[in-house]
Amino acid sequence: GAVVSQHPSRVICKSGTSVKIECRSLDFQATTMFWYRQFPKQSLMLMATSNEGSKATYEQGVEKDKFLINHASLTLSTLTVTSAHPEDSSFYICSARPPWGLNYGYTFGSGTRLTVV
Amino acid sequence: AQSVTQPDIHITVSEGASLELRCNYSYGATPYLFWYVQSPGQGLQLLLKYFSGDTLVQGIKGFEAEFKRSQSSFNLRKPSVHWSDAAEYFCAVRYGNKLVFGAGTILRVKS
Repeated sequence: GAVVSQHPSRVICKSGTSVKIECRSLDFQATTMFWYRQFPKQSLMLMATSNEGSKATYEQGVEKDKFLINHASLTLSTLTVTSAHPEDSSFYICSARPPWGLNYGYTFGSGTRLTVV
Repeated sequence: AQSVTQPDIHITVSEGASLELRCNYSYGATPYLFWYVQSPGQGLQLLLKYFSGDTLVQGIKGFEAEFKRSQSSFNLRKPSVHWSDAAEYFCAVRYGNKLVFGAGTILRVKS
């Protein structure tokens, strides 16, 4: 149990275009999902917390208008990178924590490698 | 502020040798601690976690970790490393509803 699916796994886009990344919880409902960004050879940095039915909570320094998050259902959160630039190229990972038991760990998607050319 | 320190960026061990990856945390209350493993280009897989109780925690793939409050540490160990263990390992502490990660340790296994 506790599977998080992330799509696409890789995407290449032209500078100035927008890219949407999907994160789905397959076997549980996730009222909260998390979006991380990972630069090469670096750790994961939390970008924002996605809340079902309400606005996302962004970490300090993350541009809300650049990284649009929508959590329209209990099983789907999307991250849209708007007007992408080469510096947005990175590895993006989503995460969620199943509701069964407070002591269950967080489950991560397999990540999306975004390359902006 | 909550933080996690993994002092070793890279570690190389021989196959069959023992392994210890260090993790120190800074957190005011009783921490919820995690170890994750990441293969190149992949997401993170949970190895083990500590919330309370026995300070020696067993995880998957033969890993274990020991919580030492006096040292603010949660080191990951494995008695005999396999070549398939080569990956990057992240220690994390839960702060509220979020995870704060260490910088990661890249494990290389030589045959």
